[in-house]
Amino acid sequence: AQTVTQSQPEMSVQEAETVTLSCTYDTSESNYYLFWYKQPPSRQMILVIRQEAYKQQNATENRFSVNFQKAAKSFSLKISDSQLGDTAMYFCAQNAGNMLTFGGGTRLMVKP
Amino acid sequence: DTGVSQNPRHKITKRGQNVTFRCDPISEHNRLYWYRQTLGQGPEFLTYFQNEAQLEKSRLLSDRFSAERPKGSFSTLEIQRTEQGDSAMYLCASGLGGRGIYEQYFGPGTRLTVT
Repeated sequence: AQTVTQSQPEMSVQEAETVTLSCTYDTSESNYYLFWYKQPPSRQMILVIRQEAYKQQNATENRFSVNFQKAAKSFSLKISDSQLGDTAMYFCAQNAGNMLTFGGGTRLMVKP
Repeated sequence: DTGVSQNPRHKITKRGQNVTFRCDPISEHNRLYWYRQTLGQGPEFLTYFQNEAQLEKSRLLSDRFSAERPKGSFSTLEIQRTEQGDSAMYLCASGLGGRGIYEQYFGPGTRLTVT
């Protein structure tokens, strides 16, 4: 069975600053993918970034980057230069072939 | 717009009634997924299709729930004899099944309220 845990229910950050969201997971699969999805208030879920488990290099997408620690089964998301539009629920998810398994989410508030 | 679409966006129904939701995936995607999301929680997997074949169903999908994907295009999710516990957001996602491709793209969801 796969599990995903996000230990920070809520976080806040000042505009232009950097914030890191935590995620840990558990799986018995050797080949899997990890994702961060963003869900703005009353809007649909958007894929932010993905990481293939077999790649050692951490994924980066513009202001978003991950710190993937495979041995520790940790997958954190760093948002640099936070913008007001980053305010949303962030979900960490894992996929080993079929369904996505999601964490409980972190509500991020970016303050002006 | 070539993204995943879902209809209706909102549905209010009385307990005991049947409801049906529709999902139109991204056209070239052969996989289609249904998830349920309750307030403040992450989505939970319900079922998925590869083309027209329903390949996996979650234990969350009771016998009151049925999903179809005729001809491997759009999909419908029907809930019979709705209960208040069925109130949730029902999300559809689509993706390309294949080696090394695991991304899923979500629609806006259908919010169901059972009164």
